[in-house]
Amino acid sequence: GAVVSQHPSWVICKSGTSVKIECRSLDFQATTMFWYRQFPKQSLMLMATSNEGSKATYEQGVEKDKFLINHASLTLSTLTVTSAHPEDSSFYICSARQGWDTIYFGEGSWLTVV
Amino acid sequence: GENVEQHPSTLSVQEGDSAVIKCTYSDSASNYFPWYKQELGKGPQLIIDIRSNVGEKKDQRIAVTLNKTAKHFSLHITETQPEDSAVYFCAASSPNNAGNMLTFGGGTRLMVKP
Repeated sequence: GAVVSQHPSWVICKSGTSVKIECRSLDFQATTMFWYRQFPKQSLMLMATSNEGSKATYEQGVEKDKFLINHASLTLSTLTVTSAHPEDSSFYICSARQGWDTIYFGEGSWLTVV
Repeated sequence: GENVEQHPSTLSVQEGDSAVIKCTYSDSASNYFPWYKQELGKGPQLIIDIRSNVGEKKDQRIAVTLNKTAKHFSLHITETQPEDSAVYFCAASSPNNAGNMLTFGGGTRLMVKP
């Protein structure tokens, strides 16, 4: 299947700082990418839909000023967690849509805010 | 919007036995149904998918069936092996959802005992 790469796979940052997570589709172009957050033993929670060249669409309850999403090219979307707090610690996963409906996921990024 | 329910939430089988996971969906317009396998600490991996114009699809030891009338679909794993142990998520995609985004089931934790 297609490959979606996420970087970094894990990151530790200090409270109050910002951290950026990258999501790349390596062998296909993705006009649409999605960002999820996953809590332990739970399903994936959609945070936002990232569209190349336009503003992201955020799900209800997700602060767009805190979780900045940029989709500047057809192969790269970034999620920046601004002014991180310990409660932002989580597993963040991106996915990219290939074609009309097939969606591939990245490996995920573990964020720990200390 | 679309609602996907998945059962059971946990499933324990003996190595070599079959495992069946069932999902129901609410939006009759949904037309794409992927299944993902998520191992601990990793992103979900697409293992098989089915579209609404097909009733069954098989790939080696895994198969998926779709009943559009009843709005349910199932994952079948035969001759289970310990490496099949993981969390499995079903999902549904509807053209009524912006960006053809996926709606996920709650996940099934499959444990294959050697």
